[in-house]
Amino acid sequence: KAGVTQTPRYLIKTRGQQVTLSCSPISGHRSVSWYQQTPGQGLQFLFEYFSETQRNKGNFPGRFSGRQFSNSRSEMNVSTLELGDSALYLCASSLVSGSDTGELFFGEGSRLTVL
Amino acid sequence: AQSVTQLGSHVSVSEGALVLLRCNYSSSVPPYLFWYVQYPNQGLQLLLKYTSAATLVKGINGFEAEFKKSETSFHLTKPSAHMSDAAEYFCAVSDYGGSQGNLIFGKGTKLSVKP
Repeated sequence: KAGVTQTPRYLIKTRGQQVTLSCSPISGHRSVSWYQQTPGQGLQFLFEYFSETQRNKGNFPGRFSGRQFSNSRSEMNVSTLELGDSALYLCASSLVSGSDTGELFFGEGSRLTVL
Repeated sequence: AQSVTQLGSHVSVSEGALVLLRCNYSSSVPPYLFWYVQYPNQGLQLLLKYTSAATLVKGINGFEAEFKKSETSFHLTKPSAHMSDAAEYFCAVSDYGGSQGNLIFGKGTKLSVKP
């Protein structure tokens, strides 16, 4: 069974640009969550999507957005990039939102560098 | 609000020695607790999870953790460290039986293993 797939794995952007990251969850998983990981702040929750609807959102500015498609694939977008957006962006999927244990399955991440 | 505190951002042990990584949680309801491991340039992999079935939880790679409600702790242990255990370890808590895809993570503990 294929795991969570994130693309691209690495990318470099300049300030002011925008970026779109993609996540394909494990087959059958309907919930997709996004996390930002930085050395200073650690792992921070961005948002969660379930059945194409955003169910939860973390404390990030409106420049961070996402969506989920009918096949459960998800994208997140960051507009007007800032240096501080440089981070590893992790996507995680789970079987259903409200699953018994809430275990998340993570992808390998997309490492974004903003110059 | 839930929170997780991991004591010690860096822990160093010798190969063959006991590994003890500390995690304390704060939750107003019985929590679900998790330990994840992250190897360099990779996503997070679940080591083990506590879901109230048993207080002593055994995970992969010889790791185990004990849930102690009186101490609000969920420390991770391994009797004998191996070089391949060198990684960063994250403790996480989930409120509800059904996670909303939003795990609260600790800051992480980087484990080094000396030969």
